[in-house]
Amino acid sequence: TQLLEQSPQFLSIQEGENLTVYCNSSSVFSSLQWYRQEPGEGPVLLVTVVTGGEVKKLKRLTFQFGDARKDSSLHITAAQPGDTGLYLCAGVPIKAAGNKLTFGGGTRVLVKP
Amino acid sequence: DTEVTQTPKHLVMGMTNKKSLKCEQHMGHRAMYWYKQKAKKPPELMFVYSYEKLSINESVPSRFSPECPNSSLLNLHLHALQPEDSALYLCASSPTGLAGNPDTQYFGPGTRLTVL
Repeated sequence: TQLLEQSPQFLSIQEGENLTVYCNSSSVFSSLQWYRQEPGEGPVLLVTVVTGGEVKKLKRLTFQFGDARKDSSLHITAAQPGDTGLYLCAGVPIKAAGNKLTFGGGTRVLVKP
Repeated sequence: DTEVTQTPKHLVMGMTNKKSLKCEQHMGHRAMYWYKQKAKKPPELMFVYSYEKLSINESVPSRFSPECPNSSLLNLHLHALQPEDSALYLCASSPTGLAGNPDTQYFGPGTRLTVL
């Protein structure tokens, strides 16, 4: 069992539709990051959420951090083909030693024109 | 500027070769990281340097040897690699690398390594 469970693993939608990716854990995190990664490239940071209950918006992307800081979600409104990629949530459990980042398994998103 | 640079972009090497991967950041970050990523998997941590000292080694085989000449540079020396070491190698940096505080990691574009 992974410390951070991401769902779904794969999502294929048409341009203009909405989608939500979930990142869940039984552990408390001091913060969670969301990254988007394209094939052969490094993960690009989208957002860091820090405060329980926090909601952050980045254009058509809305990120939420659960009140207990154990889960997070990413919602994309009116998805575009440019949103295609691998979405990764990652964070450091509050009881971890050092800054060892734990990753979710990733969600592969395909937005068809 | 939130840029981490890595060279080379691609590397093909034989099992007897010695090569090095390089990483650089100018964000004033004091922690730098090496990750290995296989296809369709999330990155796996290899090493962490915090304030130029090796703070985490995730039981990585000795054919991988990290080096942190200063707080802006990170190298990964490769020697006698195996074909199964072929992967995308990612460098990252963060402000401190210390536990207890949110310490966002920024990734470089990666080096695609192929071992023949």
